[in-house]
Amino acid sequence: SQTIHQWPATLVQPVGSPLSLECTVEGTSNPNLYWYRQAAGRGLQLLFYSVGIGQISSEVPQNLSASRPQDRQFILSSKKLLLSDSGFYLCAWSKGRGNYGYTFGSGTRLTVV
Amino acid sequence: DQQVKQNSPSLSVQEGRISILNCDYTNSMFDYFLWYKKYPAEGPTFLISISSIKDKNEDGRFTVFLNKSAKHLSLHIVPSQPGDSAVYFCGGATNKLIFGTGTLLAVQP
Repeated sequence: SQTIHQWPATLVQPVGSPLSLECTVEGTSNPNLYWYRQAAGRGLQLLFYSVGIGQISSEVPQNLSASRPQDRQFILSSKKLLLSDSGFYLCAWSKGRGNYGYTFGSGTRLTVV
Repeated sequence: DQQVKQNSPSLSVQEGRISILNCDYTNSMFDYFLWYKKYPAEGPTFLISISSIKDKNEDGRFTVFLNKSAKHLSLHIVPSQPGDSAVYFCGGATNKLIFGTGTLLAVQP
């Protein structure tokens, strides 16, 4: 069966510090991978998605970047965090375009102080 | 450009009654639509989906209706239970899933 792992679960970082959140998927190959963010009192905003190794699409201009160094690994990064980067970050995967559903990780609560 | 909209931020329903959650979209390229349920500090969990070529899909207490001409879909929960209390997100999907802003459903015992 397929599983998705996301870590860390919580993170408190000072403004200006770097960020690296990691997501891995098991039990499938060539998944589509996604990073979402839920800011306080807001909806689920798509940040990045990837349909293959090294292929990253950015949905919104921001202080963050994403990379996919391996087929089932998706990394969210920042060189210098801003207060506005605080939020709940979710990784997700799907089999691709079609009614396959999207499976989400358990999320990372990032607080920038 | 908000492609998926949930105009009701919250809904309160009595236990045993019907909950109706609404969603509007603007992107006619969506292949299918999904509803997710989310608790605080957890990832969303999948509830039900519907293809863009269908107008209804039912799974137990959950039914999703799609009106393509109106670009509107709704989720019906019958009967509503206190455990259904959560934030519900609708989403439209192509090769990516775009969510609405969510509706907080409170089912009162």
